[in-house]
Order: sequence, then C-alpha cells, then structure tokens
Amino acid sequence: EVKLVESGGGLVQPGRSLKLSCAASGFNFNDYWMGWVRQAPGKGLEWIGEINKDSSIINYTPSLKDKFTISRDNAQNTLYLQMRNVESEDTAIYYCAREQHGCDYWGQGVMVTVSS
Amino acid sequence: DNVLPQSPTTMAASPGEKVTITCHASSSGVYMNWHQQKSGTSPKLWIYDTSKLASGVPDRFSGSGSGTSYSLTINTMETEDAATYYCQQCCSTPPITFGSGTKLEIK
Repeated sequence: EVKLVESGGGLVQPGRSLKLSCAASGFNFNDYWMGWVRQAPGKGLEWIGEINKDSSIINYTPSLKDKFTISRDNAQNTLYLQMRNVESEDTAIYYCAREQHGCDYWGQGVMVTVSS
Repeated sequence: DNVLPQSPTTMAASPGEKVTITCHASSSGVYMNWHQQKSGTSPKLWIYDTSKLASGVPDRFSGSGSGTSYSLTINTMETEDAATYYCQQCCSTPPITFGSGTKLEIK
C-alpha cells in the first residue's frame, strides 16, 4: 500500500524557517518524481514544485521559487520541503504527492500556521 | 497566479442528473487530470490523461477534451459524488497547474 506521511508542521513565527518531511512507503521511492502542493484555509490547491528521481531536476512554481527548497533522501525514502522567511500567506496544509499522472497519491497533509 | 479557470465555481445537482464541469488549459498539448476532494480530506486522483479513470472510480464518471478545453462529466449524479473537483494540467510551464476548483453539492 502506498503511504505518504508528512510531518514537521505546526505554529511558526513570521520570518522564521521550517522544514517539512514526507516519509514514503509501499513503493520504490527511487523510481518516482515527487512534489509538494499546498492549500490555504478555504482555498484551492497550489502546486509548489517537484523533484526528479535523482534530484538532478527541481522545478518550482515561479512565484514560490525564492521561498521553498525541495530535496529528497532516497536512502531514507523521504522528501523534504524547506520553507524560509515564512509569512502569514504561507499558512496552509502542505501535501506531498507522488508525481505520476500528475499526482497519483497524496499524503494526509500537515498544517503550517504562521503567526506571532 | 497560475490558476486554470474552471466553471462553474459551485453547483448543485439532483440525484440522477447529468453534471459537466469544464476547465480551460493555459496551452494545448498538455495532459489533463482531475482530482476529487471531500471536506477535511486529501485530494484523490480521479481522472488522468484526460479520459482515464483512476482505480476505483465509478464508470458514471468520464473525462474528455482537447486543445485547451477539457471537461469532467458525471452521467448520473449520486450523493457520494458531492465534493470539490480540481483539474490539473501537466506538463508545460510551470510543469503543473491546478484549476480554481468546482464545488459540487447535492440538491
């Protein structure tokens, strides 16, 4: 069974950094592109970016590329999202997703709340 | 922002009614996927590559389209189909873009 489990969210002060993790299981992590998507409260889905199998290609939504860094550790079957200089507009549920046919599997999401 | 227009934004349908949701891609030659999201849960891939149903999706659902115009159709609406549906375009620039969402309610 494919499982994606995000962690690392919570309450963070404006201007700080935060690193989210996504633990993958049930499939060969090395064989898939992976991505991050966020959803602000009551809003739609916003694609953040993706990383290819060996981390040689990383793409971001242009408006978000200065705020986020995506990385992965294939030995640990884990995907990461580094957030920096967070603002209130970054308050959202953050999902990791396996990128086949767009996003064929999603994690349960992790909430990040930016507030002082 | 890169958000694909979807229509309608919200709609209500009676059981048995036919439902069509449309999405406008930003360019042609993309792959169009659809996701279903119910309140408080993660999205689920529902339709991929324009017209292929994801595993477990009832065959009352179908997808179609070409160029820059795509649609999701429910042949006969059922109560369990009430959800928000998002289109998702892949793989142009940026590689992935989501639609604005259509909230479908049961009448």
